[in-house]
Amino acid sequence: SYELTQPLSVSVALGQTAKIACVGNNIGRKNVHWYQQKPGQTPVVVIYKDGSRPSGIPERFSGSNSGITATLTISRAQVGDEADYYCQVWDSSSWVFGGGTKLTVL
Amino acid sequence: QVQLVQSGAEVKKPGASVKVSCKASGYTFTSYDINWVRQATGQGLEWMGWMNPSSGNTVYAQKFQGRVTMTRNTSINTAYMELSSLRSEDTALYYCARGDIIVERPYDPWGQGTLVTVSA
Repeated sequence: SYELTQPLSVSVALGQTAKIACVGNNIGRKNVHWYQQKPGQTPVVVIYKDGSRPSGIPERFSGSNSGITATLTISRAQVGDEADYYCQVWDSSSWVFGGGTKLTVL
Repeated sequence: QVQLVQSGAEVKKPGASVKVSCKASGYTFTSYDINWVRQATGQGLEWMGWMNPSSGNTVYAQKFQGRVTMTRNTSINTAYMELSSLRSEDTALYYCARGDIIVERPYDPWGQGTLVTVSA
């Protein structure tokens, strides 16, 4: 079965840029979605289909996807961006989630 | 507004079954898939399967095949997920979420979650 690998945690200084990787076999050929989940809340999509941003999501959130790595980039990180982030793809009639990355803003 | 509202928390004994409901409103229920995802405390998101409410077709994650059943009642715009032979490891928050595999739409919205606790 298809697997997506994310780092368990990423730290970023306030106002700096955070990058969260999602690694999977030929993931560059798939559409990748990214979800943000804050404590006690349901997940919210922040990037869909690699790099598109839903309405209401700040432009500070962007995504890219190539080769074996998809990347969620959060520019000018804020304390309010602290959350767990999950990548997701559709593969062989199944949805697959990455294990999730906890973002800490220092 | 588009909304999914789930049934309330459940406490079950090991070996029992649980059935969680997910009522859709604000959109045409049969036009989008319903997915089920669970999350144990402090853990990540785990996809359980999806259902096409129009046809009733389902695809289950291999891990849950034989134990999970996803159904729907289109007259009341409600989807159901039943998990049988419960064990302590099934204690988790269970979410339904709207999606669309045809265009690989991301999940939006999600239900509020239903806490299922399995304990003797």
